[in-house]
Amino acid sequence: DTEVTQTPKHLVMGMTNKKSLKCEQHMGHRAMYWYKQKAKKPPELMFVYSYEKLSINESVPSRFSPECPNSSLLNLHLHALQPEDSALYLCASSQNPDRADNSPLHFGNGTRLTVT
Amino acid sequence: GIQVEQSPPDLILQEGANSTLRCNFSDSVNNLQWFHQNPWGQLINLFYIPSGTKQNGRLSATTVATERYSLLYISSSQTTDSGVYFCPNSGGSNYKLTFGKGTLLTVNP
Repeated sequence: DTEVTQTPKHLVMGMTNKKSLKCEQHMGHRAMYWYKQKAKKPPELMFVYSYEKLSINESVPSRFSPECPNSSLLNLHLHALQPEDSALYLCASSQNPDRADNSPLHFGNGTRLTVT
Repeated sequence: GIQVEQSPPDLILQEGANSTLRCNFSDSVNNLQWFHQNPWGQLINLFYIPSGTKQNGRLSATTVATERYSLLYISSSQTTDSGVYFCPNSGGSNYKLTFGKGTLLTVNP
C-alpha cells in the first residue's frame, strides 16, 4: 500500500465545474509535489511545496491552484479546465527539501481526471 | 535542466528472459530512483540508487555516478513486469525530479 493517499481515484468534470484533488501523507515529509502525466508521456512537474510554502511553479495555468494547508495535506483546486487537461495527476512527497540527495520521492496512486 | 535518456524505448521479451535497461544523464546524479509504472498508472518505487549496486529479488540496479549512468537488470522476467520503467534524477536541484521518456517493457507469456 502506498503511504501517500490521493482522492478521488477518478474524477469526471465539466469545463465549468470547480473540483479539488486531495493528497495526504503522514510520513513527516516536508516537501510535497504535484505532477501531471498525459497518456504515453512521462510525469511532468507542476508544483513543489517546501515547508508548506510554494517553492516551484512550473508555469502552470492559473486554472490550477495548489494549496498546502499543513505539512500533511496538499490540495489542487481545479476551475474552468479544458479537455486537454485530462490526465493522471500524481502527488508525491519527500523527506528533506534542504538536501539534493538522500530524499527519495514517494508517489501516490494518482487521480485520473477527465474533463468533458 | 537535466536531460535523462533511456534505452531502449521499447522492449519485448518472452517470459523467463533477462534484460538490461539503461539511463544516461546530462548532469550529476542525485536522488536517482528507478520506478515501474504498471498498466493502472501506479508508480512503484523499485530502487533509490544515487550510487552503487542494490538488489531486490529478480531486480538489481547499478549506478556509476562518475560516468552519469544507471542500469536496471531484470532476470527471469514475468508478465507482471510489463509496464513503463522510469529513472528520474534531480541533478543539481533539490526538488525537480526530471523524468525521461521511459522504457516500455512488454513480457509475453
